[in-house]
Amino acid sequence: NAGVTQTPKFQVLKTGQSMTLQCAQDMNHNSMYWYRQDPGMGLRLIYYSASEGTTDKGEVPNGYNVSRLNKREFSLRLESAAPSQTSVYFCASRTNRGALSYNSPLHFGNGTRLTVT
Amino acid sequence: AQKVTQAQTEISVVEKEDVTLDCVYETRDTTYYLFWYKQPPSGELVFLIRRNSFDEQNEISGRYSWNFQKSTSSFNFTITASQVVDSAVYFCALSEAGTGTASKLTFGTGTRLQVTL
Repeated sequence: NAGVTQTPKFQVLKTGQSMTLQCAQDMNHNSMYWYRQDPGMGLRLIYYSASEGTTDKGEVPNGYNVSRLNKREFSLRLESAAPSQTSVYFCASRTNRGALSYNSPLHFGNGTRLTVT
Repeated sequence: AQKVTQAQTEISVVEKEDVTLDCVYETRDTTYYLFWYKQPPSGELVFLIRRNSFDEQNEISGRYSWNFQKSTSSFNFTITASQVVDSAVYFCALSEAGTGTASKLTFGTGTRLQVTL
């Protein structure tokens, strides 16, 4: 049972480079999320997706784009990386009970540690 | 807007001491869920418990207990007879019912618990 799988685990970029963080879940969940974790800031929501074909901005969306490729996959793209985007990125998913997801816990991937120099 | 405050940045205790982690939340919704997550040094995020806004019963699970008080908007977490394995960062989180099919989970900044021998 893989759960939520994130790739890569580690990445170092130079300022201005681009990259895509991949996330896939095999739990048939509808909702998927991208968070970043920084020291003293907790987890902050970047983007989320209620279902295939829909995405919404979270608290800190600037500098990122997302694609909900299908029900399983939700990718996060940095078009022009900046040192301020050095962080640990977590992908998560959760089920929708009926039409709403607010009552179910998030299932997290193991994170991607990104350093931008 | 929803907000979660964990005022304790870091707590250090000696093994076998009891410790309480505080969580205070703000929301305008009457329907919401509260969650606690644990992040051990290995980095993964582990779901511990959820509580809905209509259920103020305290919960006990082994050495862990949770005290939910709507009157003070608090959802505190107590570890009894702490152990070294409890050393981790603990996050409190809030999920409102919202109006869409995927609501956001807002996290506090976390409390780092260090348990020493």
